[in-house]
Amino acid sequence: DAGVIQSPRHEVTEMGQEVTLRCKPISGHDYLFWYRQTMMRGLELLIYFNNNVPIDDSGMPEDRFSAKMPNASFSTLKIQPSEPRDSAVYFCASSRLARKSDTQYFGPGTRLTVL
Amino acid sequence: SQKIEQNSEALNIQEGKTATLTCNYTNYSPAYLQWYRQDPGRGPVFLLLIRENEKEKRKERLKVTFDTTLKQSLFHITASQPADSATYICALTYSGGYQKVTFGTGTKLQVIP
Repeated sequence: DAGVIQSPRHEVTEMGQEVTLRCKPISGHDYLFWYRQTMMRGLELLIYFNNNVPIDDSGMPEDRFSAKMPNASFSTLKIQPSEPRDSAVYFCASSRLARKSDTQYFGPGTRLTVL
Repeated sequence: SQKIEQNSEALNIQEGKTATLTCNYTNYSPAYLQWYRQDPGRGPVFLLLIRENEKEKRKERLKVTFDTTLKQSLFHITASQPADSATYICALTYSGGYQKVTFGTGTKLQVIP
């Protein structure tokens, strides 16, 4: 199993540009999560999906952020327009079953820098 | 809101010694507490999970304790090795919200040969 796949690994863009981050979860996992990690705030949950349906997007910072999951093997997180304060590492994670104790498997992350 | 406190200062320890990392939380106790390891440039990797009704959990050289009275979890690595150098993050899951895990900011451990 290849694990959770994210692309790109690094993204440098200018303020005001649109940014799209991509994620392929582990096959067979029903849940997909998007997190943002910064030194000050650690890992913050942005949104999560169950069977491709968004369940909780209360962590999405503002309307500039949007996420989609068109099928079980692909999700995107879009920022439009991007701002310097969006600079962070964005992680995608997936898990298999509907139990609180189930482990989340993280991808390698996308390091976003907005100039 | 729930707050998780992990020592933001790096912990330096001599190889072979036991490393002990602390995770404190406020308010009510979680149903589950997990510890993750994160290496530079990589995503967190799950290590251990302990439930609120468990006091201790072990896995090889790792041991986690959970004290709901003190609102604290301790994470121990015995016979530490330079390969154990990483950031260790504690994470809490509450009974009220499925799969919504709250993560701490992590503590960086450096094992010195």
